[in-house]
Amino acid sequence: NAGVTQTPKFRVLKTGQSMTLLCAQDMNHEYMYWYRQDPGMGLRLIHYSVGEGTTAKGEVPDGYNVSRLKKQNFLLGLESAAPSQTSVYFCASRSGLAGSYEQYFGPGTRLTVT
Amino acid sequence: KNQVEQSPQSLIILEGKNCTLQCNYTVSPFSNLRWYKQDTGRGPVSLTIMTFSENTKSNGRYTATLDADTKQSSLHITASQLSDSASYICVVSAMSGYALNFGKGTSLLVTP
Repeated sequence: NAGVTQTPKFRVLKTGQSMTLLCAQDMNHEYMYWYRQDPGMGLRLIHYSVGEGTTAKGEVPDGYNVSRLKKQNFLLGLESAAPSQTSVYFCASRSGLAGSYEQYFGPGTRLTVT
Repeated sequence: KNQVEQSPQSLIILEGKNCTLQCNYTVSPFSNLRWYKQDTGRGPVSLTIMTFSENTKSNGRYTATLDADTKQSSLHITASQLSDSASYICVVSAMSGYALNFGKGTSLLVTP
């Protein structure tokens, strides 16, 4: 049981390049989330999904797209990277069962855009 | 706007000592409050989760308290260890919506 995994762990992009971050969970969770964490700020929600085939915008969605084609995977895409997207990105998942609040986080992806 | 405020921003204590971290929130209507521990370079890991009906919850040397009336929570760490050095994040959920409200965290350093 690997929990929540993220690939890659580190990446350096040039401005304007594109990339996709992959999040995978093996806990059969319904809900999945993408956050970014910047120094001096709390985690901020980029996009989330409440089930396979569904996605929704969070607090800071601009410049990002997501897809949830399979229940276990949640992809975060940057079409044209900007230096402001330099951050640490965390994926999380949780069960859809009523009263289940626990979110499980992945180890993070550190992205630098130059 | 940040509806979850944590204090202090950072803290240094000697190994073996106790400490208390604070969290004040304005999130409403309140659903639950969580404390996470985040080691450097790692994702957050849950320590405790409390709903409005719970006013204390323990996880080993970690004890969280919740006062839903004053909208305050604290995390008490007993007999600190070097491995407690981390950022501790308070997270509050509202009844509606899927978003969590994250505090900025308290950075704790335990020194020998």
